[in-house]
Amino acid sequence: GEKVEQHESTLSVREGDSAVINCTYTDTASSYFPWYKQEAGKSLHFVIDIRSNVDRKQSQRLTVLLDKKAKRFSLHITATQPEDSAIYFCAASHYAQGLTFGLGTRVSVFP
Amino acid sequence: DAGVTQTPRHEVAEKGQTIILKCEPVSGHNDLFWYRQTKIQGLELLSYFRSKSLMEDGGAFKDRFKAEMLNSSFSTLKIQPTEPKDSAVYLCASSPVQNTGQLYFGEGSKLTVL
Repeated sequence: GEKVEQHESTLSVREGDSAVINCTYTDTASSYFPWYKQEAGKSLHFVIDIRSNVDRKQSQRLTVLLDKKAKRFSLHITATQPEDSAIYFCAASHYAQGLTFGLGTRVSVFP
Repeated sequence: DAGVTQTPRHEVAEKGQTIILKCEPVSGHNDLFWYRQTKIQGLELLSYFRSKSLMEDGGAFKDRFKAEMLNSSFSTLKIQPTEPKDSAVYLCASSPVQNTGQLYFGEGSKLTVL
């Protein structure tokens, strides 16, 4: 089955700087790559996703890049703010399959 | 619109007991997922239903874990018998689009097995 590796377990970023989280996946059939955010004591909520028919997607301060050849995707957060502090999970799946998640990256934004 | 509702929020069980966790998905959603979340293993898929049909049953969890979707608005996860290693947060999520759509997660049921 699919395996998703999230390369950074923690990330410490100065407020206003950029943060990048990298993930790799193993199943070439995977076609959907979402990202979820989990704030302290709360459940996961969706932040952004990308499908395999594009290689870049942007939503406000978030950009997702997908490199299908390398089986790699990444989340870029620009102009980080204190409210960006959370655990971020990448995930992958293909049709008729549940999402496989990475282990999460704890992002801390400091002043 | 009500989100995904999970009950109970906290459960403490003795080893060997049977526990049942409940989930009400967002109204109108077709897909329902059960995940287990621990610090070491992260999020592990336990079961995936589409329109009440079981699509995926996490292989490692088959022997003591059973998820059912009795109707489109209610699902249960039974763990029988519980073991201390089952201590985790159990998350239910639903999705309006066939699998490749955004998941809406419940707040989770935190299970502690003594």
